[in-house]
Amino acid sequence: DAKTTQPPSMDCAEGRAANLPCNHSTISGNEYVYWYRQIHSQGPQYIIHGLKNNETNEMASLIITEDRKSSTLILPHATLRDTAVYYCIVRAIPANQAGTALIFGKGTTLSVSS
Amino acid sequence: DTGVSQNPRHKITKRGQNVTFRCDPISEHNRLYWYRQTLGQGPEFLTYFQNEAQLEKSRLLSDRFSAERPKGSFSTLEIQRTEQGDSAMYLCASRGQGDNSPLHFGNGTRLTVT
Repeated sequence: DAKTTQPPSMDCAEGRAANLPCNHSTISGNEYVYWYRQIHSQGPQYIIHGLKNNETNEMASLIITEDRKSSTLILPHATLRDTAVYYCIVRAIPANQAGTALIFGKGTTLSVSS
Repeated sequence: DTGVSQNPRHKITKRGQNVTFRCDPISEHNRLYWYRQTLGQGPEFLTYFQNEAQLEKSRLLSDRFSAERPKGSFSTLEIQRTEQGDSAMYLCASRGQGDNSPLHFGNGTRLTVT
């Protein structure tokens, strides 16, 4: 699976948009981009994933560049409860095996302050 | 709540003792994963089950670590002859059908070896 690069930390004011970048310059055509977050003392929580099109759900938006070498997770109106470590992961979906585990890096620690 | 359940939440043991953790996945999920997480690091993949078959175990940290899923439902992770370096959070996750269905994590078992 391709490697990802994320900044170690970011700050965001409450109510503002949080834009978390992720570089995955070696991504292959069959690799999806996944985002998870982990709030202190809890297990990671799935946020969103995508292949090439931008995606949006009730939690966030995922913007993937046209060349797919980078992506941005957008939390449109950050709250204090969004303070967490955010992980960007790329994973291939082999045609003959759907069980490949997600491999986590160190992620970005997002601190939302009032 | 029908999420992934892990027990116990906390375990303190003395070096050299054996410990066993239990994971109950989301009921319709046939794929189950164990991860370990140490302070400041992302979760580290250990092993994977599809139904009762353990399809990936090469990343178990040593032969002191073993996992089972005898009936394809709940799973156990055992650590024999614990060492202080085994102190960590042990996370379980499950996935349903579908090649790119997301992982759902439990809140983990925090192990402290004294």
